Amino acid sequence: VQLVESGGGLVQPGGSLRLSCAASGFTFSGYDMNWVRQAPGKGLEYVSAISSDGVTTFYANSVKGRFTVSRDMSGNTLYLQMGSLRPDDMAVYYCARAINWSLDYWGQGTLVTVSS
Amino acid sequence: DIQLTQSPSSLSASVGDRVTITCRASQSIATFLNWYQHKPGKAPKLLIYAASSLQSGVPSRFSGSGSGTDFTLTISSLQPEDFASYYCQQSHTIQWTFGQGTKVEIK
Repeated sequence: VQLVESGGGLVQPGGSLRLSCAASGFTFSGYDMNWVRQAPGKGLEYVSAISSDGVTTFYANSVKGRFTVSRDMSGNTLYLQMGSLRPDDMAVYYCARAINWSLDYWGQGTLVTVSS
Repeated sequence: DIQLTQSPSSLSASVGDRVTITCRASQSIATFLNWYQHKPGKAPKLLIYAASSLQSGVPSRFSGSGSGTDFTLTISSLQPEDFASYYCQQSHTIQWTFGQGTKVEIK
């Protein structure tokens, strides 16, 4: 199992960014997928989830209405479209696979910096 | 949202020590409680799921217990590679949440 995030970088407040998570080594369409973030010096924060079939999504209150999670089954890729970015969105963003109501595999993360 | 409170926030311990970290939930979560280890610059690692089930490949010195609102992660004999941050996480409600973390440092 391998999860590789990409797409992080520097963005101005109010800007947008799309994160990607390339999945391999397992049947991507069989698992719910998630995004979790860690702000500098802070703990882990659950951000978003999408069901295995892509029909059901979930967002933390802190990102609801600004972030959109999606998945491309043919490309085995998970996405997080982030908009109206704020300084408190600055964090390392991890994608993770869900099983048995837990997150059993995680990527190494991609850093999002929100600054003018 | 269900709040998870870990204690202590940090601790100093020596190799070979027995270490116990607790996690208290703001309401009952049955056994929907998981534990993760996180080292700087690395991917978090699942240690324990469903409160007490050891994830495949995780050393048996790690164990978890509890149900309802009170949970414990125990490392029976701390090893050099165990110095890291540890997080509990609940999946009882759709709004999954993490504890604030416990940093285990070398004494």
